Amino acid sequence: QSVLSQPPSESGTPGQWVSISCSGSTSNIGSNNVNWYQQLPGTAPKLLVYGHNQRPSGVPDRFSASKSGTSASLAISGLLSEDEADYYCAAWDGSLNGWLFGGGTKLTVL
Amino acid sequence: EVQLVESGGAVVQPGGSLRLNCAASGFTFESYAMNWVRQARGKGLEWVALITWNGGKTDYADSVRGRFTVSRDNSQDFVYLQMNSLRHEDSALYYCVQGSLLKWGQGTQVTVSS
Repeated sequence: QSVLSQPPSESGTPGQWVSISCSGSTSNIGSNNVNWYQQLPGTAPKLLVYGHNQRPSGVPDRFSASKSGTSASLAISGLLSEDEADYYCAAWDGSLNGWLFGGGTKLTVL
Repeated sequence: EVQLVESGGAVVQPGGSLRLNCAASGFTFESYAMNWVRQARGKGLEWVALITWNGGKTDYADSVRGRFTVSRDNSQDFVYLQMNSLRHEDSALYYCVQGSLLKWGQGTQVTVSS
């Protein structure tokens, strides 16, 4: 099963704005919503953004998502040291009839 | 509050079988599709299987199709993953995940080792 493409790593300094990309195809990102997750070491993935840039209760508005064609991105503004984590995108693929995940991006706060 | 509690993870030999369980609460279970997602140690997330709200349709990742079977009991609010012919590469933390992957359990560890 193929995966969505994410950069393996990104970095930023406290207070900075960073973006994490997720590239797919017409059968997944191009035609379905994208979910974004944050995973801290030893914990289950935490949903950050879903649907049309919706955030679950408790997720700060520093996290936002966008989509254009077959690519999506997660933006984090006002970077904090606690944002250092792994980030994953996910989308339903109508051709494969299954969920696809990005390979994950390790965000380092310098 | 939505709760998904996995159990059944264990150490099993290659070629062996195992059944994972997921107890759901805090939502109308019979209204939601359910998924299993796994994560090998130090690796990314991999979707494994899906079952529709009434169990009428199931889908599987190519890596497990023909070896794993997902089922559910809407009278007890449980979803199961029967895993047969287990391989070393099936070793992972297995998560039970609601619907459109919005709510996740904490996972149960499966280790395939001789």
